[in-house]
Amino acid sequence: GESVGLHLPTLSVQEGDNSIINCAYSNSASDYFIWYKQESGKGPQFIIDIRSNMDKRQGQRVTVLLNKTVKHLSLQIAATQPGDSAVYFCAENGGSYIPTFGRGTSLIVHP
Amino acid sequence: DSGVTQTPKHLITATGQRVTLRCSPRSGDLSVYWYQQSLDQGLQFLIQYYNGEERAKGNILERFSAQQFPDLHSELNLSSLELGDSALYFCASSVGAGTPYNEQFFGPGTRLTVL
Repeated sequence: GESVGLHLPTLSVQEGDNSIINCAYSNSASDYFIWYKQESGKGPQFIIDIRSNMDKRQGQRVTVLLNKTVKHLSLQIAATQPGDSAVYFCAENGGSYIPTFGRGTSLIVHP
Repeated sequence: DSGVTQTPKHLITATGQRVTLRCSPRSGDLSVYWYQQSLDQGLQFLIQYYNGEERAKGNILERFSAQQFPDLHSELNLSSLELGDSALYFCASSVGAGTPYNEQFFGPGTRLTVL
């Protein structure tokens, strides 16, 4: 498949470990945040979202934390699996309804 | 599989040429979004159509244009191509428009290489 090819920060973890991917956003008007996963050769896929009136939201094996004070977002993946290897993007709505994407973090899971 | 289809998967062309990328949204989705993903710029929003009408514009060059047809498929036209236009082009669709809370479903992308 095709890779995104960006010079991205990389997080390498062992299978079974928990992963934490961080994202800083800049627009204080943003009130909606999304995490996407992009596997090689595929388009971005929605993982989880959070609105600014929350500071934590949990999904299946994933948790998103939002700290509006320092404009920081994190994605926690529990019991990381090789299938979680991908590029992860955070996106903010910046006060509009079109998301603005961060540059992404490459997650590599070693079996 | 997101339900969004894009053709072609790969496109190789020369500078100065014109190409058309095609997108079919998920069944029932009225909004189509186009994004460009390049090595140095990440994922950039280009333009959105909702039910045949242009709804929002992002960082889309004047050499690029798009349209959405009555059957809701969309085409992105790229003309006078330059080397820097080489990128992945993604289409996404959502049910509605005007709110960020409509989940966008992305297609597999078209890889454009300009030589």
